[in-house]
Amino acid sequence: KAGVTQTPRYLIKTRGQQVTLSCSPISGHRSVSWYQQTPGQGLQFLFEYFSETQRNKGNFPGRFSGRQFSNSRSEMNVSTLELGDSALYLCASSFGSGIYQEETQYFGPGTRLLVL
Amino acid sequence: KNQVEQSPQSLIILEGKNCTLQCNYTVSPFSNLRWYKQDTGRGPVSLTIMTFSENTKSNGRYTATLDADTKQSSLHITASQLSDSASYICVVSFNFGNEKLTFGTGTRLTIIP
Repeated sequence: KAGVTQTPRYLIKTRGQQVTLSCSPISGHRSVSWYQQTPGQGLQFLFEYFSETQRNKGNFPGRFSGRQFSNSRSEMNVSTLELGDSALYLCASSFGSGIYQEETQYFGPGTRLLVL
Repeated sequence: KNQVEQSPQSLIILEGKNCTLQCNYTVSPFSNLRWYKQDTGRGPVSLTIMTFSENTKSNGRYTATLDADTKQSSLHITASQLSDSASYICVVSFNFGNEKLTFGTGTRLTIIP
């Protein structure tokens, strides 16, 4: 069974631009969650989608948004990029009981975003 | 102050030795506590998931313990291997009306031959 895939793997953008990252979950998984990882802040939760609806949201500004399609694939968008948005963006999938439940999440390799 | 503190920040041990990583938390009660292993340049991999009522959970050479009284969790690695070199992250999930996911900053473990 294929794992979680994320595209692109690396991305370089400039301040003010916007970016869209993509995540394809493991087949059969309906929950997709997104995380930001930086050396200074570590891992932080962005949001979780289930059945095309945002189910949970972390403490990030509105510039960070996402969506999920009917095939469970998810995209994350960051508008008006700032230097501080440089990070590894990870997505994780699970069957669907939710990020707060005792269900294993499977992470993708991440997209490394550099904002210049 | 972070609600989940991990120690040590980094650790270097010889191959074959055992080691213990610590996770101290203030979020209580909580729904579950997870330990992840993250190799450099890769996404985290789930090692163990424990609910508030569990004391221990094993996954091969990895054993996680939980002491709700002292608000501490430990991850014990036995007979370490070079492939154990990675960052280990503790995550506490709070799900009682005010859902919250709190991550530790991790312990960087290096196994040397």
